[in-house]
Amino acid sequence: QPVLTQAPSAAASPGASVTLTCTLSSDHSNYRVDWYQQRPGKGPRFVMRVGTGGIVESRGHDIPDRFSVLASGLNRYLTINNIQEDDEADYYCGADHGRGGSFVAVFGGGTRLTVL
Amino acid sequence: QVQVVESGGGVVQPGRSLTLSCAASGFVFGDYAMTWVRQAPGKGLEWVAIISDHEINRYYADSVKGRFTISRDNYRNTLYLQMTDLRPEDSAVFYCARAVWDSHGSYFDHWGQGTLVTVSS
Repeated sequence: QPVLTQAPSAAASPGASVTLTCTLSSDHSNYRVDWYQQRPGKGPRFVMRVGTGGIVESRGHDIPDRFSVLASGLNRYLTINNIQEDDEADYYCGADHGRGGSFVAVFGGGTRLTVL
Repeated sequence: QVQVVESGGGVVQPGRSLTLSCAASGFVFGDYAMTWVRQAPGKGLEWVAIISDHEINRYYADSVKGRFTISRDNYRNTLYLQMTDLRPEDSAVFYCARAVWDSHGSYFDHWGQGTLVTVSS
């Protein structure tokens, strides 16, 4: 199954841009990754899915187009442009592995984004 | 709009059982897989279990296999998680989420606010 690695923290000022990175374990370079946002005290919210060619299907409900994704090698990126105060949240990446009658879903450790 | 609301959490002693429920609305419940994800206090997300739209497929995390059972009632638009032999390390907020699950994998596109389970003597 894939292992997803995220930096524990990131920070950016209002109006700036930030790119969060989710790194897949080797041998999983073709996996799709899903990004989730979790604001303090709230349930997670689906942001969007990213495959090797970029966004897959559509972004999550009410996710503004300031959010975008890219992929390169083992890395899956979430970029937030024109950061707003309510973008301050924990961001998790997730992936699943279903082979031969088994299934497992995994999450990265999360990146806490602080808006300065 | 799509909504999922968890209930049934509480304080329970180690070794005891508890059943969580998740009431769904705003979509055709029987058309979607559903999943449970938990989050221990101050920690990250941990996937727990998933069930396909008509209950044919159910899968569990190794940490709960043999102790937890995921089920659903497509007439009552409700998802369940039966938890037995609870341990202190099962203490977490449990989230229910709708799962979009196809040949390319799955993602969880609508989540609830969670229900807190505390396992303590």
